[in-house]
Amino acid sequence: QQQVKQSPQSLIVQKGGIPIINCAYENTAFDYFPWYQQFPGKGPALLIAIRPDVSEKKEGRFTISFNKSAKQFSLHIMDSQPGDSATYFCAASSGYALNFGKGTSLLVTP
Amino acid sequence: DADVTQTPRNRITKTGKRIMLECSQTKGHDRMYWYRQDPGLGLRLIYYSFDVKDINKGEISDGYSVSRQAQAKFSLSLESAIPNQTALYFCATSDRTSGLDTQYFGPGTRLTVL
Repeated sequence: QQQVKQSPQSLIVQKGGIPIINCAYENTAFDYFPWYQQFPGKGPALLIAIRPDVSEKKEGRFTISFNKSAKQFSLHIMDSQPGDSATYFCAASSGYALNFGKGTSLLVTP
Repeated sequence: DADVTQTPRNRITKTGKRIMLECSQTKGHDRMYWYRQDPGLGLRLIYYSFDVKDINKGEISDGYSVSRQAQAKFSLSLESAIPNQTALYFCATSDRTSGLDTQYFGPGTRLTVL
């Protein structure tokens, strides 16, 4: 069963827009929440990650918002660019293996 | 990531054949993983290994086996391939000392079972 639920499955935004991808989990033992970015023909690569002791983390144009009580976290991409077009995966871990969401295919149009 | 290599990159095989996918890493990491990726299903964990003597089943291990020949090498075998094992397979590594379990993925092997 999918331990991390991710939505939407696909997303199209214009350049400069702020796409938001949401994830939810049930297992309260999860204590590490990374986001991975995957370009066609490549393996996923870590984009940004957060621990549940903080509610927000920013790295450049990418921000994770974390709501521990709701067991939800989301990725926001500020000032999105066509080069951000990729598949994004959220994940959650309790220290030994990552549980991935099903992925969101993002297209940023010029 | 050139530090994690997978061979072959593409493989076409027939139902019933035994095949092996290989993964090597030069990152010096102790943990290694095998995932499969299917469209719309994301990445699912097949097996993982925390060191040479520690191998664990993941979410979808049926039909697969693994071998950790050395700290740097982790192979995935399909004993008798079937068409629904057609997928993109990724190897990944991580370093427990980092405290964050960041995983580094290889470039993937595209496997087609006819």
